[in-house]
Amino acid sequence: GNSVTQMEGPVTLSEEAFLTINCTYTATGYPSLFWYVQYPGEGLQLLLKATKADDKGSNKGFEATYRKETTSFHLEKGSVQVSDSAVYFCALSDFGSSNTGKLIFGQGTTLQVKP
Amino acid sequence: GAVVSQHPSRVICKSGTSVKIECRSLDFQATTMFWYRQFPKQSLMLMATSNEGSKATYEQGVEKDKFLINHASLTLSTLTVTSAHPEDSSFYICSARIPSGANVLTFGAGSRLTVL
Repeated sequence: GNSVTQMEGPVTLSEEAFLTINCTYTATGYPSLFWYVQYPGEGLQLLLKATKADDKGSNKGFEATYRKETTSFHLEKGSVQVSDSAVYFCALSDFGSSNTGKLIFGQGTTLQVKP
Repeated sequence: GAVVSQHPSRVICKSGTSVKIECRSLDFQATTMFWYRQFPKQSLMLMATSNEGSKATYEQGVEKDKFLINHASLTLSTLTVTSAHPEDSSFYICSARIPSGANVLTFGAGSRLTVL
């Protein structure tokens, strides 16, 4: 079945460091891929998405490229801030194949940015 | 736009009682909503798909008699945890597909249930 695997955390970085959070997926068909962010005590917010191969999603300085050949959707940011500290979830949907609207999440990666 | 509101955000109840969590789409109609459960430091687990005007579709391993879902209108879905026990303590999050056709889900802020 479909699944998402993320790198384990926590990831601890100093402010202005480069961030990469790895995400790989297994899926049939052509899923859409997402990164969601969860700040402490809050629900999930969509950070960015990509709907087809080679698409690049970007938002708030974060980027991720849909790589079909490596089944990956790694999240990157060139210079992190303390305010980026949160839990990041990679997810895929099967809207394309069955249109059920379900999201399958990775296990989440906690990012801690220190001043 | 496309805001989903959950209530209550936190609830504490005694073992054996039932708790209802509401999920509302504030500025759009949602024929389908999804209920997730999140354990501490773990990912979100899809519990069920709530369909307006029909029965919910439960994921494998989720007890439908324990987690009652009702989607009586296009803007409201409710999750009732019946005869709650401490192991039901968790963070419950609902979501709905935004109507723009971009295949994106918007999430509520979640409801933290603590069963004593």
